[in-house]
Amino acid sequence: IVLTQSPDTLSLSAGERATLSCRASQSVTSSYLAWYQQKPGQAPRLLIYGASFKATGIPARFSGSGSGTDFTLTISRLEPEDFAIYYCQHYTSSPPMCSFGQGTKLEIK
Amino acid sequence: QVQLQESGPGLVKPSQTLSLTCTVTGGSISIADYYWSWVRQHPGKGLEWIGYIYYSGTTYYNPSLKSRVTISVDTSKNQFSLKLSSVTAADTAVYYCARGMLWDFDSWGQGTLVTVSS
Repeated sequence: IVLTQSPDTLSLSAGERATLSCRASQSVTSSYLAWYQQKPGQAPRLLIYGASFKATGIPARFSGSGSGTDFTLTISRLEPEDFAIYYCQHYTSSPPMCSFGQGTKLEIK
Repeated sequence: QVQLQESGPGLVKPSQTLSLTCTVTGGSISIADYYWSWVRQHPGKGLEWIGYIYYSGTTYYNPSLKSRVTISVDTSKNQFSLKLSSVTAADTAVYYCARGMLWDFDSWGQGTLVTVSS
């Protein structure tokens, strides 16, 4: 299964709403779809698991949705610290295997 | 709160074996349901899952790397390790160890850059 994220780069201002897309090449199980944030020089950080559940300590402005082949990460009002690269990730069980999307860079406009 | 720390050589010669260790602190590596993973990131690129191991020793590998990868666990030391054989410049990357269920990664090490060069 190939995950394709769009857009590659998203230019927005603080306070705006960000909508990031992750499309799978075939229908996937929502329970196994996650989103990560990565800032320069840092490890990725789990934001969303199971397509819509926030990981521990993740602010309420982050939300995930979707099913089938189309998933979305939404940041309701961008804070300065939200400008980073975001990756979606999926797991398939037969055989166990993980794959990541290519990433969306969220940059300050 | 569990913490993970990668260690190992930062420079490996082509055709040799890359060896890294991840030390887990703040929690047991033998905890049920969690898998211990390696993920790498080529310079300026995205994330690539390498494989993971359960404390019992069960392993799963990325098919694209399977022929060269071995992940092992030492529960007595609360560590797990990665060996990648026959490395080339294409294996130059930041290598992360991580913890999670089979389907996500909720804790990560800070990452270590491994350069393959003669």
